[in-house]
Amino acid sequence: DTGVSQNPRHKITKRGQNVTFRCDPISEHNRLYWYRQTLGQGPEFLTYFQNEAQLEKSRLLSDRFSAERPKGSFSTLEIQRTEQGDSAMYLCASSAPGLVETQYFGPGTRLLVL
Amino acid sequence: AQSVTQLDSHVSVSEGTPVLLRCNYSSSYSPSLFWYVQHPNKGLQLLLKYTSAATLVKGINGFEAEFKKSETSFHLTKPSAHMSDAAEYFCVVSHGNNRLAFGKGNQVVVIP
Repeated sequence: DTGVSQNPRHKITKRGQNVTFRCDPISEHNRLYWYRQTLGQGPEFLTYFQNEAQLEKSRLLSDRFSAERPKGSFSTLEIQRTEQGDSAMYLCASSAPGLVETQYFGPGTRLLVL
Repeated sequence: AQSVTQLDSHVSVSEGTPVLLRCNYSSSYSPSLFWYVQHPNKGLQLLLKYTSAATLVKGINGFEAEFKKSETSFHLTKPSAHMSDAAEYFCVVSHGNNRLAFGKGNQVVVIP
């Protein structure tokens, strides 16, 4: 069990550019989640996948954001036309199905939009 | 709607003294409750979880939490703080709808 991994760990970009982040969940975890954490706040839910299906999206996920999990394994989160307000830590988590699911988090990708 | 309230965004404790972090939740149903810890430059790590079994839950690193339905609380405690406990702690609620709702966190500073 190698844990949840995320790449890159840090990303600096200029306003208006597109960025893409990758998350590799714990193997055999069929559920994958994306959260965003801004400074001084707890993480906020963005979206979640069960296998390759995106089952829920938060209102925080504007139309500039898109997430995919094409083969039910790794996932990507893309932000188009980045804005300074997108600067945050983007966290990925995965879980296995169960009565009370425990989500295991990756180290996050810290995005800074200049 | 589910929400979590963590007061005292910054908490200072002396090494060797007890730690108490307060968490109150609002919920229409029986929730699942968690405490996560976040060390600098590291991912969120699960400390413990309440799953409607025993109301006193023991976690890692000597932490424990007690679920009190009448008070809608899930406070986190540790008898004796260690320097390595300096981190940010989040109380989290879930209704099994696959999204976790986090509190704003407690930043714990341990004074030698």
